[in-house]
Amino acid sequence: QKEVEQDPGPLSVPEGAIVSLNCTYSNSAFQYFMWYRQYSRKGPELLMYTYSSGNKEDGRFTAQVDKSSKYISLFIRDSQPSDSATYLCAMENTNAGKSTFGDGTTLTVKP
Amino acid sequence: DTGVSQNPRHKITKRGQNVTFRCDPISEHNRLYWYRQTLGQGPEFLTYFQNEAQLEKSRLLSDRFSAERPKGSFSTLEIQRTEQGDSAMYLCASSSRGMGPTDTQYFGPGTRLTVL
Repeated sequence: QKEVEQDPGPLSVPEGAIVSLNCTYSNSAFQYFMWYRQYSRKGPELLMYTYSSGNKEDGRFTAQVDKSSKYISLFIRDSQPSDSATYLCAMENTNAGKSTFGDGTTLTVKP
Repeated sequence: DTGVSQNPRHKITKRGQNVTFRCDPISEHNRLYWYRQTLGQGPEFLTYFQNEAQLEKSRLLSDRFSAERPKGSFSTLEIQRTEQGDSAMYLCASSSRGMGPTDTQYFGPGTRLTVL
């Protein structure tokens, strides 16, 4: 079983919809949680990171962490066609120098 | 462009050949990471450096793989006697590890390796 599980999708929504992306994890040592966006044939780009349980908002993006349930989410409001990409969750143990990634959810936002 | 750069962007090679990839991190970053990503999967950690010291290597990194970061600047990843299973995107990331418990990794565009 992988340490980080992510809904694979694909997910297709109309423009303007609210998108919910989710990951679960099994390693309770994970303390930092990140969301990356990856366009086709490009490297991942960091969208958000968070440490504590609760919500963190940045523009149209909200990251949510529930450490008690080992569950994290990324919400995208007013989704745009330019949001079409693969979204990767990633987690880090504070003592490690590496991130453990989920396998990504492919999102398509249709105009 | 002050981001992470990787060369070459694409490499096609025959099974059994050796290949070398280069990563130039963001100039002030002291940490450099290598990941491997196959289609439909997330990046898998291979190894990382803090300055010139290689601090951790994944079990995925067989003895055919070697990475260096001389002088703590650019890094090279060499794969000897390539196998078809080595076909993947090889991603490099860099970060500036300060006093905090974690850092932000900035990824390069990757080198796509195809082994025929």
